[in-house]
Amino acid sequence: NAGVTQTPKFRVLKTGQSMTLLCAQDMNHEYMYWYRQDPGMGLRLIHYSVGEGTTAKGEVPDGYNVSRLKKQNFLLGLESAAPSQTSVYFCASSTGAQQFFGPGTRLTVL
Amino acid sequence: GNSVTQMEGPVTLSEEAFLTINCTYTATGYPSLFWYVQYPGEGLQLLLKATKADDKGSNKGFEATYRKETTSFHLEKGSVQVSDSAVYFCAPMTTDSWGKLQFGAGTQVVVTP
Repeated sequence: NAGVTQTPKFRVLKTGQSMTLLCAQDMNHEYMYWYRQDPGMGLRLIHYSVGEGTTAKGEVPDGYNVSRLKKQNFLLGLESAAPSQTSVYFCASSTGAQQFFGPGTRLTVL
Repeated sequence: GNSVTQMEGPVTLSEEAFLTINCTYTATGYPSLFWYVQYPGEGLQLLLKATKADDKGSNKGFEATYRKETTSFHLEKGSVQVSDSAVYFCAPMTTDSWGKLQFGAGTQVVVTP
C-alpha cells in the first residue's frame, strides 16, 4: 500500500496563477482533509470531506476550492494564487479514528 | 471553540536527557488525544494516542497519559536520542468532529550529542 500520496512535491507559482494539488489514498478511507502548515502555527484545516461527493469548509477555506469526485482522490485548487498562500500543504485521510498524512507539497507564490 | 496549548520551542537537550512537552486543551465532548511527530522534511506520523481518561499511550519510549481532570496530555521520554530531533504536535480529536484534529502550534525538539 502506498498510503497517502501527494503531487506535486514542490511548485512555484506567480501571483494570479492557478493550480491543483492532488491527494490520493489507497486505504478506502471515507474522510479526507487538506491542511496548510505555516511556521509557528501548527496545521490549520482548509477543507475536508466525509465521503465521495461531499466537501466542507475548515478553519481557513478562503482562496481555496476542493473536489472529491472519487473516494480515493481529494483535489485542492487555487484559482488565483496569492503570496499569502505560500505554505506547505498536507493531505490526510482517516476512518474517523486516526489520520494518516501524505508527505506534503511545498508551494511558493511569488 | 476548541484550542490546544503546547509549550513553545525550541527545546534543546543533550542526548540521554529527560524530555517533557506540555499540552493542555479545551474541547467540547470527550476527545481522543494524539501526539504526532514530524521529522525534518517529512510529513506527520502518529506517535501515540489515548482514547479515554487515564489511558496511557506509548511508543518508541515516549509516553503520555490522558488527564481528564486537568485536560492535559503531556508527552515524556526518559532518555532522548539524537534521532528524536523533530517537531511534536499535540492534537485532540473531538467525538463530534468527523475525525478532525485540532493541532497545537508544535514544539521543536533538538537533541545534541
